Amino acid sequence: EVQLVESGGGLVQPGRSLRLSCTSSGFTFGDYAMSWVRQAPGKGLEWLGFIRRKAYGGTTEYAASVKGRFTISRDDSKSIAYLHMNSLKAEDTAVYYCTRDLASRHSYDGMDVWGQGTTVTVSS
Amino acid sequence: DIQMTQSPSSVSASVGDRVTITCRASHAIKSWLAWYQQKPGKAPELLIYGASNLQSGVPSRFSGSGSGTDFTLTISSLQPEDFATYYCQQANSFPFTFGGGTTVEIK
Repeated sequence: EVQLVESGGGLVQPGRSLRLSCTSSGFTFGDYAMSWVRQAPGKGLEWLGFIRRKAYGGTTEYAASVKGRFTISRDDSKSIAYLHMNSLKAEDTAVYYCTRDLASRHSYDGMDVWGQGTTVTVSS
Repeated sequence: DIQMTQSPSSVSASVGDRVTITCRASHAIKSWLAWYQQKPGKAPELLIYGASNLQSGVPSRFSGSGSGTDFTLTISSLQPEDFATYYCQQANSFPFTFGGGTTVEIK
């Protein structure tokens, strides 16, 4: 079964850091781009960033709201994607989802697999 | 950044109704648009990609159309399991962006 499982969420104080993990199974992780999306309580979806597969350079893209504070990385040997979050603010409180992206060099066919999400609460 | 505007923000409909949701991009995005369905407490699911391509396993009552700046998601005959929130997402250029969502409620 194709699956993504996020972990690492929890309660964190403002200004601190947190690393989320997205563990995949059921598919060849290295063949896919991955994204992170979050949803604040009662709000809509917010795209955070994207990491290409290594064959396309493994490079990253970010939303302006998190650029410079959040970093996406991947470990293909472990089939895990990471979201490193620094200088956390109260407004970063949300459910964080990782997704598998159907992206090639010249096309994008959506986020076809989503994890169940992990909750991050930023509060003192 | 490309802004995505969905309308309406909510719609009340009955089982069997035809429902149309609109998504407008602030700049032309060709056909690089996806639609997602999200039910309460659950992760979103991909319905449509490339503006009009039905994701595998999605019922044929869902359809998407449009290109450039104006797009629609249509549910031809609303079923009980379709009451949910729907989001559009542009993938023409980074940063990708989502619309604000449209909630389909029971009338």
